[in-house]
Amino acid sequence: DSGVTQTPKHLITATGQRVTLRCSPRSGDLSVYWYQQSLDQGLQFLIQYYNGEERAKGNILERFSAQQFPDLHSELNLSSLELGDSALYFCASSDRTGGETQYFGPGTRLLVL
Amino acid sequence: LAKTTQPISMDSYEGQEVNITCSHNNIATNDYITWYQQFPSQGPRFIIQGYKTKVTNEVASLFIPADRKSSTLSLPRVSLSDTAVYYCLVAPRDQAGTALIFGKGTTLSVSS
Repeated sequence: DSGVTQTPKHLITATGQRVTLRCSPRSGDLSVYWYQQSLDQGLQFLIQYYNGEERAKGNILERFSAQQFPDLHSELNLSSLELGDSALYFCASSDRTGGETQYFGPGTRLLVL
Repeated sequence: LAKTTQPISMDSYEGQEVNITCSHNNIATNDYITWYQQFPSQGPRFIIQGYKTKVTNEVASLFIPADRKSSTLSLPRVSLSDTAVYYCLVAPRDQAGTALIFGKGTTLSVSS
């Protein structure tokens, strides 16, 4: 158990819909990272927040957005969903600002029908 | 960020030592080398991290030559449960704005 929690574990929705994925980092960790993993793409970095502020951006689509709240939990919002958005979404946390050891959550499996 | 190159896949048998090499020719002075392990449908798990020479923990060893342009993850006496994808990551520590690139990793298959 990494100490990072993600909800929900599974999510099934339809194209065009909007969903919110939630992540609670390990106690004391200020950084939260979001990753997308699909079968053909491997693990893709989406975005990082540190203590409420966006710190790094990867291959995140404009239809996706994220935020980190004062209690340090983070949410990833996915809108106008497409079939290709079906993937595992992981959240990771670390105690510093970047590049350090990251602790990954169990992931949210999203299926868009 | 330094680009890394790893073998796509490796096969081994139980009880053997497995060495997975990662090339990172453009590694920067302040970059660290980190290895993660990922089982199907689970999040990656930190294995080991190093900067130079050799690092050992209860799970693996990490060998880094003096020029730091490559690194080798060594798994002693693998078992079936070591079947997983192994990622090599090169990135600076404590540097804001670091977008971590995991790549495709190395799929290790251990057979009995």
